[in-house]
Amino acid sequence: AQSVTQPDIHITVSEGASLELRCNYSYGATPYLFWYVQSPGQGLQLLLKYFSGDTLVQGIKGFEAEFKRSQSSFNLRKPSVHWSDAAEYFCAVRGNEKLTFGTGTRLTIIP
Amino acid sequence: GAVVSQHPSWVICKSGTSVKIECRSLDFQATTMFWYRQFPKQSLMLMATSNEGSKATYEQGVEKDKFLINHASLTLSTLTVTSAHPEDSSFYICSASDEGGNQPQHFGDGTRLSIL
Repeated sequence: AQSVTQPDIHITVSEGASLELRCNYSYGATPYLFWYVQSPGQGLQLLLKYFSGDTLVQGIKGFEAEFKRSQSSFNLRKPSVHWSDAAEYFCAVRGNEKLTFGTGTRLTIIP
Repeated sequence: GAVVSQHPSWVICKSGTSVKIECRSLDFQATTMFWYRQFPKQSLMLMATSNEGSKATYEQGVEKDKFLINHASLTLSTLTVTSAHPEDSSFYICSASDEGGNQPQHFGDGTRLSIL
């Protein structure tokens, strides 16, 4: 069975600082991996996805993520965060069409 | 592109009534739609997967008679919460993907359901 672990429940970062959100997955085959962002009371917006090829993937809003098979990780990064990045971030792995989500990381941005 | 519209965004109703939530793919044909439930400050829990023209596949522990799903066309799926009770209050989110195994799911904005 597939699973996703996001070890950090809550992260606080200063505006302008760099960000890394951790994600570890468990899946028997080559994973399809995603990062989604959710603002309060809203649905999920796709930030980026990895299916194959280049292990460093670029997404929207200046985010990127790196797939590391040896570590079963797919960490999300941004070099400089903006106050508007404050939200909940979900990592997900897909198998048999179904998405399995991590428990999410809440990002707080301080001035 | 790939816009999913969910309606209503918020509904409050009395215990015992039935509530219908619509999920529409606006600019693509959604062969598969998914319904999730999200409790406050928690992750999304998949309730069911629906394919156009066939019966929905429910996840273990989800009552199919309580949560009726219809996917009658390639652009519309509905979730009806029958005889809703306060414990059914939650945030319900739909998603849709079009043909092709590599296509990501696109999510609606969710429906906040409050049962009094």
